[in-house]
This record gives sequence, structure tokens and C-alpha cells, in this order.
Amino acid sequence: AQSVSQHNHHVILSEAASLELGCNYSYGGTVNLFWYVQYPGQHLQLLLKYFSGDPLVKGIKGFEAEFIKSKFSFNLRKPSVQWSDTAEYFCAVNAQSGYSTLTFGKGTMLLVSP
Amino acid sequence: EAGVAQSPRYKIIEKRQSVAFWCNPISGHATLYWYQQILGQGPKLLIQFQNNGVVDDSQLPKDRFSAERLKGVDSTLKIQPAKLEDSAVYLCASSLAMSGARTGELFFGEGSRLTVL
Repeated sequence: AQSVSQHNHHVILSEAASLELGCNYSYGGTVNLFWYVQYPGQHLQLLLKYFSGDPLVKGIKGFEAEFIKSKFSFNLRKPSVQWSDTAEYFCAVNAQSGYSTLTFGKGTMLLVSP
Repeated sequence: EAGVAQSPRYKIIEKRQSVAFWCNPISGHATLYWYQQILGQGPKLLIQFQNNGVVDDSQLPKDRFSAERLKGVDSTLKIQPAKLEDSAVYLCASSLAMSGARTGELFFGEGSRLTVL
């Protein structure tokens, strides 16, 4: 079974600062990788996804993530955060073969101060 | 397009009581999931349906939790009797497919927050 580790539980940044949230997964086979976001008072929604191909994927709102297979990592980045990026961010993974459960990390709460 | 609908949004019960949550997925989505999200943790899968069949319920505490999706559309998750540690947000999600390479894009409802006193 796969597992996901997110490095930071809480991150506090000022507006315009750069963001990088770490995510590592554990699984021996080929995986799909995701970042989900939950804004205050809203439901979980997909931020970006990686299935195959270019390891640098771009999502909504200027976010991007890079899949580094050798490091089993899928870190989320944004060059300049905004106050509206305040949210909880979840990394998730599932195996590409068969019926595979989507497994989430514990999440990182990002607080952006204006 | 209507999203995933869940009810109730909030429920407060005493331990040993029972509770039921309802979910209506996005129209046409064959796969339905129930996740439990305890404060400070990521969502944990409880049960996964493909149409009206259970695909994965390995993490469902079957002595107290049950779920059904009788007609392959909406679903009910029940807890009986509830324990203090069941306090959590219960998330329902749906997706078009769940097998094969390009899966994992789930659409979530707003969740049902359960407090057990």
C-alpha cells in the first residue's frame, strides 16, 4: 500500500513570498500524484495532477508541482503567494494499476499574511 | 453542473447514539467514496463503491460503521453506536472511474461534521 508524507504541518508566509510545500510518497510502482486544496469554509478541490509525461505540471492559480521520481517527491510551488492562498493543502497518491485507493497526506495549513 | 451533495452539514450526538449521513454524487459518476477526516489529519478512506458494489472497505470499522449504495446512485453511511473518537468530518466524493492509469481525480462534497459528546 502507498503512503504520503507532508513535511510541514503549518506554514506562515507574507504576501509575495515564494512557497514550496514538500511531499514524499512511498510506493514501488507507477503512481498518479495530486495536490488538493481546501479553502476556509469550502470543500476539497483538485489543484493539480500528474499522470505521466512532463514532470513539471501546472495547476490553477499559478501553482505548479514537480515530480522527481528518484526522490519519490512531488513538491508544490508558487513563486509569489497571495492572501487568498490561505488554505490547507493535501498531497495525494494512488497506484496506476487496478483499483487503487487515493491516499492523502496529513495536510499543510498555509497562512498568508497581508 | 451540480456538485456532490451531502447532508446533514453538522450533527451533534451523544456516545452510543446512532447517526446517518447521506450523499448524492455528481450525475454519471460511477464511483463513490466515503472518507473520514479527523482534525489535524488527512482524509482516510472508509469505503469505496463502484456503482452499487463495494470495491474497498478494508478500513471501515464494520462493528459500528455501515454504508450502502443500493441503486448505484446516492449513498448512506451509518454509525451505530457512536464513540467519542468518531468525531470527525465525513467526506463524500465521486469520480467517473476508479481503475486504470488516469484515476484519482475526485470531486468532494462539503462534508458532514460529526461531534460525539
